[in-house]
Amino acid sequence: GDSVTQMEGPVTLSEEAFLTINCTYTATGYPSLFWYVQYPGEGLQLLLKATKADDKGSNKGFEATYRKETTSFHLEKGSVQVSDSAVYFCALSPFYSSASKIIFGSGTRLSIRP
Amino acid sequence: GAVVSQHPSWVICKSGTSVKIECRSLDFQATTMFWYRQFPKQSLMLMATSNEGSKATYEQGVEKDKFLINHASLTLSTLTVTSAHPEDSSFYICSARLDRVNEQFFGPGTRLTVL
Repeated sequence: GDSVTQMEGPVTLSEEAFLTINCTYTATGYPSLFWYVQYPGEGLQLLLKATKADDKGSNKGFEATYRKETTSFHLEKGSVQVSDSAVYFCALSPFYSSASKIIFGSGTRLSIRP
Repeated sequence: GAVVSQHPSWVICKSGTSVKIECRSLDFQATTMFWYRQFPKQSLMLMATSNEGSKATYEQGVEKDKFLINHASLTLSTLTVTSAHPEDSSFYICSARLDRVNEQFFGPGTRLTVL
């Protein structure tokens, strides 16, 4: 079945460092791909998404490109801030899902040191 | 906008009792809500899709008689864990879909501990 695999955390970086969180997926056809973020004490928020191959989603300095050939959707940010500390979830919605079913990865906890 | 709340945020109960968790869309109407379960250091697993005015659709392996879902209005869905056991202890998260943008908005979650 469809699934999402993302790098295990926790990831600890210094402020202004470059961030990459790897995400690969297994799915039939062309799913939609998402990154969600969960800040401490809050619900999941959609960070960015891409709905077709080679699309690039971007928001708040984060980017991810839908790579069909490598079935990947890696999250990147050029210069992280302390306020980026959160748990990040990679996710997909199967192409056949009419009810917006979402399949999540296990989440990666990111901590940024001042 | 598009805020979803859950109540309670945490609950402790004795084995054999039932617990109700509420999920509310505060500033929009949602014909479809979703219930997820998250184990420590694991991903969110979809339990069921809650449809306003009709029966919920459960994922394979989820006991519908144990996890009762009621979506009685366009802003409220409830999940009742019946005859709870320690293995039901988990973090339960709901989401509500805003149809005009076809996006799910998530609640902050409810931590259930069954003693």
